[in-house]
Amino acid sequence: AQKITQTQPGMFVQEKEAVTLDCTYDTSDPSYGLFWYKQPSSGEMIFLIYQGSYDQQNATEGRYSLNFQKARKSANLVISASQLGDSAMYFCAMRKNSGGSNYKLTFGKGTLLTVNP
Amino acid sequence: DAGVIQSPRHEVTEMGQEVTLRCKPISGHNSLFWYRQTMMRGLELLIYFNNNVPIDDSGMPEDRFSAKMPNASFSTLKIQPSEPRDSAVYFCASSPWLAGGNGETQYFGPGTRLLVL
Repeated sequence: AQKITQTQPGMFVQEKEAVTLDCTYDTSDPSYGLFWYKQPSSGEMIFLIYQGSYDQQNATEGRYSLNFQKARKSANLVISASQLGDSAMYFCAMRKNSGGSNYKLTFGKGTLLTVNP
Repeated sequence: DAGVIQSPRHEVTEMGQEVTLRCKPISGHNSLFWYRQTMMRGLELLIYFNNNVPIDDSGMPEDRFSAKMPNASFSTLKIQPSEPRDSAVYFCASSPWLAGGNGETQYFGPGTRLLVL
């Protein structure tokens, strides 16, 4: 079974500072993918970034980067130059990339990020 | 490009009434997912369709819930009769998933906020 742990229920950051949101995972599958989603107060789920377990480099998408440490089973999201609009709930998720039930996303409980002006 | 479209965005109904939630996936995506989000249980996968065929409905809470996908561009989730404990946000997501492949990102719709009184 897969498990995602987000240990930070809430985080605060000053505008223009960088922030790291933690995510650790547990799986016995050799091939898997890790995702981060953003859910602002309006409620929609917005895909941010994806990391494959065999990807050699850490994924980056604009101000978002994923600090992937496979041996530690961690996939932390780094947001650089925080903006007020980054205030939202952030979910880490994973899915195995082969075998049965390889469509299922397992979500963490989320981290609520507040960006202060 | 249009994202996943869901309707209605908000629904308030009385216990015992039938509720129908609608979803239009992203054009060309052949996988569709229905999720439910509550504070207590987080995000739960209710049902997964691939090429309009239900593949996994193990997450459907009980017989009161049913889902259909009559064609590649439309799906419904029906609750009959509705109960107060069904109050939640219901998300539809789609992906260009090919069963057995490496998988793709799931893109979520804006969600339907359901309140059953």
